[in-house]
Amino acid sequence: ETGVTQTPRHLVMGMTNKKSLKCEQHLGHNAMYWYKQSAKKPLELMFVYSLEERVENNSVPSRFSPECPNSSHLFLHLHTLQPEDSALYLCASSLRVTNTEAFFGQGTRLTVV
Amino acid sequence: QKEVEQDPGPLSVPEGAIVSLNCTYSNSAFQYFMWYRQYSRKGPELLMYTYSSGNKEDGRFTAQVDKSSKYISLFIRDSQPSDSATYLCAMSGGTSYGKLTFGQGTILTVHP
Repeated sequence: ETGVTQTPRHLVMGMTNKKSLKCEQHLGHNAMYWYKQSAKKPLELMFVYSLEERVENNSVPSRFSPECPNSSHLFLHLHTLQPEDSALYLCASSLRVTNTEAFFGQGTRLTVV
Repeated sequence: QKEVEQDPGPLSVPEGAIVSLNCTYSNSAFQYFMWYRQYSRKGPELLMYTYSSGNKEDGRFTAQVDKSSKYISLFIRDSQPSDSATYLCAMSGGTSYGKLTFGQGTILTVHP
């Protein structure tokens, strides 16, 4: 266990559904991240939060909506997704945004049907 | 051209072999270099962390950074079947803030 917990581990959703991914870290870190991992592609950074403030949005479509209510929790709200959005979504945290030692959760395997 | 290039393999070696994994990059501002190991159906796990050029050793693992060539390596000595995983290089620096730029990952299998 890395101290970063993601739920659910697996999710199947239709294109008209709304769902949320949850991430919780118990490391006392101030920075949290969402990454997308697709087959045969490098991890892609989606969002960066520092002390609950979004500091980077990496040109992610608006059908992905992040929320960071406090420094320990991070959500990714999903709506009207496309089949090409099927991927492993990984949450990570680091002590600060300027500290690049990131610790990852197990990921949520998302399938859009 | 991708910012970080990593041969996806797959790489298959016998137990006890020395494994060499490599990445090249194009952004000269990168200063922090990491190797992550990812087992199947798991998240990436930080294996090695290096700042700037030089070598770092941790048990059977050695990370090397050559900034002049924009080339990083991870060596695994006396490889074990439990080392079978995908190895991801990652790096950051300059104005990229907390953003990690990853390679595609190399799939490694160590067979008994």
